[in-house]
Formats: sequence, C-alpha cells, structure tokens
Amino acid sequence: GQQVMQIPQYQHVQEGEDFTTYCNSSTTLSNIQWYKQRPGGHPVFLIQLVKSGEVKKQKRLTFQFGEAKKNSSLHITATQTTDVGTYFCAGKGTGGFKTIFGAGTRLFVKA
Amino acid sequence: NAGVTQTPKFRVLKTGQSMTLLCAQDMNHEYMYWYRQDPGMGLRLIHYSVGEGTTAKGEVPDGYNVSRLKKQNFLLGLESAAPSQTSVYFCASSFGTGGSGGEKLFFGSGTQLSVL
Repeated sequence: GQQVMQIPQYQHVQEGEDFTTYCNSSTTLSNIQWYKQRPGGHPVFLIQLVKSGEVKKQKRLTFQFGEAKKNSSLHITATQTTDVGTYFCAGKGTGGFKTIFGAGTRLFVKA
Repeated sequence: NAGVTQTPKFRVLKTGQSMTLLCAQDMNHEYMYWYRQDPGMGLRLIHYSVGEGTTAKGEVPDGYNVSRLKKQNFLLGLESAAPSQTSVYFCASSFGTGGSGGEKLFFGSGTQLSVL
C-alpha cells in the first residue's frame, strides 16, 4: 500500500538557523499537504501542493512538490521559537480517497 | 461555529472493556476520518468515510469499528480494548475531492485513551 516517509525524525536548531524536512512517497501522489502540530495540540493545515514542480511560499516557509509528484520538502528560513512543533506531510494517491501521513519531523528551537 | 468536536477528551479503560468515541462536525463535510497518533509513528489512518452511510478501512483497522449514520457524525468503536490501543485518537473531516483546498483536513482536539 501507499507509504509516506519523512526525514529527519527530530531537528534541533539555534534560533535564526534554517530548517528543512523532506517527504518521500512510495507512489505518485495527486497532491501533498503539510500540517503543523504544536506540543499538546492537534494538526493544523498549512498548505496543499497539486502541480508537478510547484513551489509555494508563506512568509519564511517554502514548500516544494517534486517533478515526479513523489517527494516534497518544507524549508523554514531563520527559525523562530514560535516555529516549535511537529511538521507532517500528508499525501493522497492518484485515484484514492485516503490521506496518508508521514511520521513527522519534530522541530526544537533554542533561543 | 465549533468545527470538529470529539468526545470524550480523556478515557481510561481496562483490557476487554468497550467504548465509543464520538466525532461531530458542523461544516457539512462529506469526508470524515479517524487517525491514531503514537510517538514516532505519526498519524495512522484507522477508518474513513466518504459520505453518510459509507465506511472504509484505512492502514490500521483491526480492533476498531466505525459507523456514519448521519453526515455530521462519525463514531469509532472499540469492542474489546487492548493495551496496544493506548494512543491519542484524532478525528478529521474535509469537503472531499476537488482541489483548491477542498481536501484540507480539519482536526478535532483529540482523545487520550489509556488501556490498562
């Protein structure tokens, strides 16, 4: 079945450093979504990418969808303490109904 | 506008007991999902529904049953709880397919379940 792998599992950064998390699917995706979960909270939708090679930006966050629609990345420039949390990618296979999540990358930011 | 509401928020069960988790959404969403979250394993899909009266299995359906008798409600049942079902359970809903953010998932606040 469809699998979504995400690395790294954890990342510790100093405030102001950049951060990147990577997502890889075993099958071609129709779209990929990214979510953020603060400690003790629930996942909150950040963005959805649909097109091959798509790049979207939200302030300091840059999201990319690979040309083959099987991989994606989230890059945060100049991290802040408010960026702390777990970032999940979630993919939906072509012709499917299920949204499958990666294991997440937990970001720790030291002030 | 409450969004997605889950009840209860916390529950402790003994092995073999049964219980039902309730998820309610007031956004007229077609799709509803139940996920479980365990440390280091992200969110794993248990069951989902693409409309009233329909349900389907996700990645980890064993030991769980679901029902979607009304569009706004999605129930998750544990018939005979086991310690391996200790987890945080999240319900989510979405409009469904169609792009333009229509597949965006809205999550409830979660249920912390412990099975002793």
